[in-house]
Amino acid sequence: SQQGEEDPQALSIQEGENATMNCSYKTSINNLQWYRQNSGRGLVHLILIRSNEREKHSGRLRVTLDTSKKSSSLLITASRAADTASYFCATDLSSYDKVIFGPGTSLSVIP
Amino acid sequence: DAEITQSPRHKITETGRQVTLACHQTWNHNNMFWYRQDLGHGLRLIHYSYGVQDTNKGEVSDGYSVSRSNTEDLPLTLESAASSQTSVYFCASRQENTGELFFGEGSRLTVL
Repeated sequence: SQQGEEDPQALSIQEGENATMNCSYKTSINNLQWYRQNSGRGLVHLILIRSNEREKHSGRLRVTLDTSKKSSSLLITASRAADTASYFCATDLSSYDKVIFGPGTSLSVIP
Repeated sequence: DAEITQSPRHKITETGRQVTLACHQTWNHNNMFWYRQDLGHGLRLIHYSYGVQDTNKGEVSDGYSVSRSNTEDLPLTLESAASSQTSVYFCASRQENTGELFFGEGSRLTVL
């Protein structure tokens, strides 16, 4: 069974709006990562948050982690059409463990 | 620049044939992974390796094998291809310091 589950499965917003995606996982983790995938391409790393961190920022991205609820959220502020992609959360249990991905959220940003 | 490359990018084969998908990275990363991506399932882990001569089964390893004879390469072999193995396959390597995965561009395999 998959470690991470994203919510919602699909999200459609207008350009300029904020997009929030959530990820829930089942077991204790070492870190949680978010990746982006443009159609037909490989995944690209966006941001990593460690289990002892609660919030992290990178440009227009904000990630939160709540280890008590085993959940994370990815916020993209002031979305652009170019943000249209699928977004995946991924977890690993330790620094030298397998990395498990959730099924992803498909984001459409309408110009 | 360091990179990770997969080949072939597209392949069509017949049921029962052996197929090998190549993955080559030039970062000298110890950790490497193979995933398959299917609609509705996201990425599912097939096999992974922590280093030379080390291989481990992932969530969906049945029908697949890997070998790690050097740091740079982790070829994925389908011993006897089945239609259920039609998918897009992604190889990745992990930078140990940051935990970040670097992905190849994928190999689209069709089994007829």
